Amino acid sequence: EPEVTQTPSHQVTQMGQEVILRCVPISNHLYFYWYRQILGQKVEFLVSFYNNEISEKSEIFDDQFSVERPDGSNFTLKIRSTKLEDSAMYFCASTRGQGYTEAFFGQGTRLTVV
Amino acid sequence: GNSVTQMEGPVTLSEEAFLTINCTYTATGYPSLFWYVQYPGEGLQLLLKATKADDKGSNKGFEATYRKETTSFHLEKGSVQVSDSAVYFCALSTTSGTYKYIFGTGTRLKVLA
Repeated sequence: EPEVTQTPSHQVTQMGQEVILRCVPISNHLYFYWYRQILGQKVEFLVSFYNNEISEKSEIFDDQFSVERPDGSNFTLKIRSTKLEDSAMYFCASTRGQGYTEAFFGQGTRLTVV
Repeated sequence: GNSVTQMEGPVTLSEEAFLTINCTYTATGYPSLFWYVQYPGEGLQLLLKATKADDKGSNKGFEATYRKETTSFHLEKGSVQVSDSAVYFCALSTTSGTYKYIFGTGTRLKVLA
């Protein structure tokens, strides 16, 4: 069964450093997403990406965040200058769209900012 | 706007007890509804889904019915097991636009032997 894969599973970084979280969505899916879950809290939408551009972003997704689909298979989330409060589990997801609403989630990347 | 409200946890039950976790939603249009389960230290697993009113989603003994009249999608299981201990998230997705998910706050279930 096709699945969304995320790497790394756990990343530790120093405050102020840049991190890139990587995702490989399901190949025939058209919409890609990043969500964030701070420990013990709800899963929050960050950004959606369609047709090589951001289609929607939340207020959390400020200028320090960016997304890219550099090569037609990978989908990345970059945090330019990490803060302690960026520590969270980041989930990538994809969906076929076009009325197919079920999203497939990756296993997540746990980001720890120290 | 769209939102999901879940009952507060934690919920603690004895093995073989009946489980209900309440979920209500507010949405424009006709969303699809989902329950996800998250085991400790793991990612999100789709438990069940329903895409239109009166649909019943079911999986692994869990059930939920899409009730448009009460805007609810309550999760039920007749007899819980210790292995069901996890956090359960109710979510909705719109059927147009970006198809993003809106999640509830999650309900932690603890089942005691």
